[in-house]
Amino acid sequence: DAKTTQPPSMDCAEGRAANLPCNHSTISGNEYVYWYRQIHSQGPQYIIHGLKNNETNEMASLIITEDRKSSTLILPHATLRDTAVYYCIVRVYNTDKLIFGTGTRLQVFP
Amino acid sequence: DGGITQSPKYLFRKEGQNVTLSCEQNLNHDAMYWYRQDPGQGLRLIYYSQIVNDFQKGDIAEGYSVSREKKESFPLTVTSAQKNPTAFYLCASSHRGQNTEAFFGQGTRLTVV
Repeated sequence: DAKTTQPPSMDCAEGRAANLPCNHSTISGNEYVYWYRQIHSQGPQYIIHGLKNNETNEMASLIITEDRKSSTLILPHATLRDTAVYYCIVRVYNTDKLIFGTGTRLQVFP
Repeated sequence: DGGITQSPKYLFRKEGQNVTLSCEQNLNHDAMYWYRQDPGQGLRLIYYSQIVNDFQKGDIAEGYSVSREKKESFPLTVTSAQKNPTAFYLCASSHRGQNTEAFFGQGTRLTVV
């Protein structure tokens, strides 16, 4: 199964863009990348997902490299409420397994 | 309203007792999942099911058991064989296939004393 690697922690100033990287070098050609976030002691919240094209929704943008070995989640204007652990996940083809990495703890400061 | 429900939110059990955690969804999802989370750690997959009457072991299935007799329900039993059962347990569900997100419940925090 594909693995994901993320930096353990990042800081971001309120109002600035937060760029969270993820490495998924063993991803297969038809496996999607998903991003979730988890605020302490709650269930993870879906943010965005994509296959190979860049994606944008009301929460964030997802940039996937052309070789699909890495991606970046962009929160365009971070707020204090965006402080959370962000997980980059690969959905395994055929089994529907969602494999979580260790996540990035994003701290947004005033 | 639609969603995925885990109950109870907090659960206490004595060591050596089996305990069953409930997970119910009314989203008409075929796939359901159980994860375990320890303090400061990520989510680890215990069991998952793609369809009724079928389920597969995840990365840490030892000491756990599941059943999938109904589409909307996927209960997890933590048996006395689980060496370190105290943890936060999360259930999720989704449609099958790649291009569809999973929805998570709010979790059950199990404490074994």
